[in-house]
Amino acid sequence: GAVVSQHPSWVICKSGTSVKIECRSLDFQATTMFWYRQFPKQSLMLMATSNEGSKATYEQGVEKDKFLINHASLTLSTLTVTSAHPEDSSFYICSAQPRRGGYTFGSGTRLTVV
Amino acid sequence: SQELEQSPQSLIVQEGKNLTINCTSSKTLYGLYWYKQKYGEGLIFLMMLQKGGEEKSHEKITAKLDEKKQQSSLHITASQPSHAGIYLCGAGFQKLVFGTGTRLLVSP
Repeated sequence: GAVVSQHPSWVICKSGTSVKIECRSLDFQATTMFWYRQFPKQSLMLMATSNEGSKATYEQGVEKDKFLINHASLTLSTLTVTSAHPEDSSFYICSAQPRRGGYTFGSGTRLTVV
Repeated sequence: SQELEQSPQSLIVQEGKNLTINCTSSKTLYGLYWYKQKYGEGLIFLMMLQKGGEEKSHEKITAKLDEKKQQSSLHITASQPSHAGIYLCGAGFQKLVFGTGTRLLVSP
């Protein structure tokens, strides 16, 4: 139990376009989900906390207008990278907390902006 | 905010050797998680520690949390190539933040 599905697993987009990444909790409800970014040879950096039915909470230094987060239901959060540029190329990964505790992670999305 | 520093940053060990990775927090830890990752892939949950002095083991991996709950160590006994990857400690209250990471390579 406690599975998080993330799609797509990889995406290539042109500079200036927007990309949407989905994070779904398959067998539990998640009022809170988290979005992370990871650059090569670096650790995971928390970008924002996604709250169902309300605005996301962004970490310091993360542009909320660039990284739009929508948590419209108890099982789905989306991250949209708007007007993507090559420097946004990274590995993005989401996580959620099932009721039993702990954190369950998606398999991640590798974004390449060309 | 909580900051987690891991050491060493990277490590190369010969297969069969033991190794230890450390995670030091700037604040008291309310739950300390250890994950393993291969870059570009998802995270594999290893262990979670909550109580000061707690120690848990799974196969050849042992994790400890010190009494003051500000430092944790991850010890691998008789390392194998399958242990290679990035080891991350994570902690936080209401959200999980990660340490700086330790990259482990196991040479044959």
